[in-house]
Amino acid sequence: GEDVEQSLFLSVREGDSSVINCTYTDSSSTYLYWYKQEPGAGLQLLTYIFSNMDMKQDQRLTVLLNKKDKHLSLRIADTQTGDSAIYFCAGASGGYQKVTFGTGTKLQVIP
Amino acid sequence: NAGVTQTPKFQVLKTGQSMTLQCAQDMNHNSMYWYRQDPGMGLRLIYYSASEGTTDKGEVPNGYNVSRLNKREFSLRLESAAPSQTSVYFCASPSPIGVYNEQFFGPGTRLTVL
Repeated sequence: GEDVEQSLFLSVREGDSSVINCTYTDSSSTYLYWYKQEPGAGLQLLTYIFSNMDMKQDQRLTVLLNKKDKHLSLRIADTQTGDSAIYFCAGASGGYQKVTFGTGTKLQVIP
Repeated sequence: NAGVTQTPKFQVLKTGQSMTLQCAQDMNHNSMYWYRQDPGMGLRLIYYSASEGTTDKGEVPNGYNVSRLNKREFSLRLESAAPSQTSVYFCASPSPIGVYNEQFFGPGTRLTVL
C-alpha cells in the first residue's frame, strides 16, 4: 500500500509564508489532496492537484508536485492565525476510491 | 443538509465493554468509511463500504465490526473494548461527483477506554 509521510509540526509568524511538505510512495496516485483539520472537527478538503500537473494556485494556496521525487508541498502565503490547524496530504488510487492519508502536520501561527 | 453526522461525540468505556458508533449521511453517496486518528499516525482506515450491503476490511480492522444498515447509515461496533482502541473515530463518505474522491467527514467520536 501507499505510505505518505509528513513532518509533525511547523511554527510560523503571522504574515509569513508556510510551506508544508509531504512525500509519498505510490506513483500511481491519480489525485493528491490537502485536507485541513481544525481543533475538535473533522477534516475538510482544502485543495487538490491532478497527478499530471506540476503546480496549482488557489488564492493564498500554492500546491507543488514533483513526481520524480514523489514530493508534494502546500504553500500558504500571508499566513493568518485562522490557518492554525493540522494539515493532511492524501493520495487516491485504486478502484474502490481508497484514499491514503499522511500523518498530518500541525501548523502553529504565532501572532 | 447535515452532511455526515456521528454519535456520540464523546464516550468513556471500561476494558471489555462494548459499544456501537453511529454514522449517517444525507448526501445519497454510495460509499462510507470508518477511520481512526491517532497522534503521529494520521488517519487509518478501519472498514469501508463501497455500496449498500457490502463491507470490506481496511488497514486496521481487528477488534471492530461494521454494519451497513442502509444507504444512509454505517455503524462501527467494538465488541470488547481495549485501551489500544482509545482514539478519535471519523466516519467519512466520498463524493461520486465534483472533485474526485473528495471525502466528507463527520465531526468525530472521541473514545477513551480505561
